[in-house]
Amino acid sequence: AQTVTQSQPEMSVQEAETVTLSCTYDTSESNYYLFWYKQPPSRQMILVIRQEAYKQQNATENRFSVNFQKAAKSFSLKISDSQLGDTAMYFCAFIHTGNQFYFGTGTSLTVIP
Amino acid sequence: DTEVTQTPKHLVMGMTNKKSLKCEQHMGHRAMYWYKQKAKKPPELMFVYSYEKLSINESVPSRFSPECPNSSLLNLHLHALQPEDSALYLCASSQESSGFDGELFFGEGSRLTVL
Repeated sequence: AQTVTQSQPEMSVQEAETVTLSCTYDTSESNYYLFWYKQPPSRQMILVIRQEAYKQQNATENRFSVNFQKAAKSFSLKISDSQLGDTAMYFCAFIHTGNQFYFGTGTSLTVIP
Repeated sequence: DTEVTQTPKHLVMGMTNKKSLKCEQHMGHRAMYWYKQKAKKPPELMFVYSYEKLSINESVPSRFSPECPNSSLLNLHLHALQPEDSALYLCASSQESSGFDGELFFGEGSRLTVL
């Protein structure tokens, strides 16, 4: 069975600073996909960034980047130059085939002005 | 159009009522999902439709009845719900492919309160 663990229920960061959210997962599959989703308060869940397991290069999307360590089964999200709009729940998610996404328990991030 | 549209946004119902949640997408996606989400918790998968056929039912109680009338529309029929069923119900869609490589697109959700 696949599991996704986010060990930080809550985090805070000063505006303009950098913060890293942790995610570990467990799978016996070799080919899979990892995602970070963002859910602002009372708003829609949207994709922040995704990583294909067969790609060694870490994905980057503007201020968001990941540190993907396949052997360690670790997939952390780094947010640079944090903005007030980054305040949200962040969910790490995993899928390897079919339509079954596995979500982590989430990290509530607050950006402090 | 990259939207998943859910109606209604808010719904209050009694335990004896029958109501429905509706979800629509026009992105040509062939997989559609219903998730249930409690506050500050991850989404919990309820149902998946693939090419308009029910492919996953996560042992959801029969008081929740999904329906996929066509490839763009997904309904969730509600009957005799319990107060603990109060939650945010999220619809999502994705491209269907043999080896998933796409993105899950979410709607804004329908917030359900059962009195």
